[in-house]
Amino acid sequence: EPEVTQTPSHQVTQMGQEVILRCVPISNHLYFYWYRQILGQKVEFLVSFYNNEISEKSEIFDDQFSVERPDGSNFTLKIRSTKLEDSAMYFCAIQTGSSYEQYFGPGTRLTVT
Amino acid sequence: RKEVEQDPGPFNVPEGATVAFNCTYSNSASQSFFWYRQDCRKEPKLLMSVYSSGNEDGRFTAQLNRASQYISLLIRDSKLSDSATYLCAVKQAGTALIFGKGTTLSVSS
Repeated sequence: EPEVTQTPSHQVTQMGQEVILRCVPISNHLYFYWYRQILGQKVEFLVSFYNNEISEKSEIFDDQFSVERPDGSNFTLKIRSTKLEDSAMYFCAIQTGSSYEQYFGPGTRLTVT
Repeated sequence: RKEVEQDPGPFNVPEGATVAFNCTYSNSASQSFFWYRQDCRKEPKLLMSVYSSGNEDGRFTAQLNRASQYISLLIRDSKLSDSATYLCAVKQAGTALIFGKGTTLSVSS
């Protein structure tokens, strides 16, 4: 199973602040994803990133969100001005080959106060 | 409109029991299907992909019924360690996985 790490494991921030969540796949992959899970709710797709471009995004992924792969390895999700409702677990996922199987990182728990 | 729906939980079963979960999806163009396992406050872990012909991995069997648009997961000889939430996930035409809310399984001794 491919390995993915995420940092930080837990981030507490004040409403209106910017946060950057990081994802580091252990080996090279082309497809990256961000999902979020609000406590007690289902896992929701945010955005997919292929070949250094956004390939698909959900309605949740509005102008407050952005993704990039700044150095060819880290994959980041930025939330520009956090709101209380952004509090959730954020999972990075990678896809292997042509099987469409996605493997998730351990997640970052974001708490907005 | 709920895209992926799962059996309401929780399922409380004794060790050794056989338990089955169902999941229905609304989009007939869905292409790929998966079962994930999620422990409390942890990431979803891929349990198995679901193929048209059905597939088995040890005590776990997954089946797909495209005509009725549902997938199922059967767990035989339940272990205490099987206690978790089981998530159904469906890939449609795009790249995203659409998840169900999950079904909680509690196996007791």
